[in-house]
Amino acid sequence: GAVVSQHPSWVICKSGTSVKIECRSLDFQATTMFWYRQFPKQSLMLMATSNEGSKATYEQGVEKDKFLINHASLTLSTLTVTSAHPEDSSFYICSARDASASGGQETQYFGPGTRLLVL
Amino acid sequence: GDSVTQMEGPVTLSEEAFLTINCTYTATGYPSLFWYVQYPGEGLQLLLKATKADDKGSNKGFEATYRKETTSFHLEKGSVQVSDSAVYFCALMDTGRRALTFGSGTRLQVQP
Repeated sequence: GAVVSQHPSWVICKSGTSVKIECRSLDFQATTMFWYRQFPKQSLMLMATSNEGSKATYEQGVEKDKFLINHASLTLSTLTVTSAHPEDSSFYICSARDASASGGQETQYFGPGTRLLVL
Repeated sequence: GDSVTQMEGPVTLSEEAFLTINCTYTATGYPSLFWYVQYPGEGLQLLLKATKADDKGSNKGFEATYRKETTSFHLEKGSVQVSDSAVYFCALMDTGRRALTFGSGTRLQVQP
């Protein structure tokens, strides 16, 4: 099946620094990628929808200037957490939609997630 | 807005027991419905899906039927195994944005 990778798998940073997380579709092209945040023992909350070559669409309550998303190619989207603070510590998960798959546009493939800890 | 409600866990069963995890949804239009599974230390994997009313999704012995009249998509398996221990998420995809809305997840623990 389709594979989505994330890098890094975990990161620890100091408060005030910025952290970039990469999401790659390894064997398919993804015109749309999604970024989610998962708190411990809770569900995934959609943060933003990333479309290749255009600006991301953010969910209500998500700060655009805080969470910068870039989707420069059909296989790569990046999420940058700017001026990170301890409350940004979380598990960040991306997914990519393979519109060409037999499963149709409903098929999303998830990355393994990136655990961020801000000290 | 769209929402998904699934039964709280954890659910603890003995091997070979019957499993039901309830899921109901609220949505405008005709969403597609999904079950995802998250094994310990791994990312979410699609377990099964149904795209229209009365469709039955099935995979690895798991089944779920899209019931429009009750707005439900309950997950069932006739005989669970220890290897089924994981967190199960019910989700819907709206027809417009095509983004997923997840339920809170249900942790299943199967004991030998």
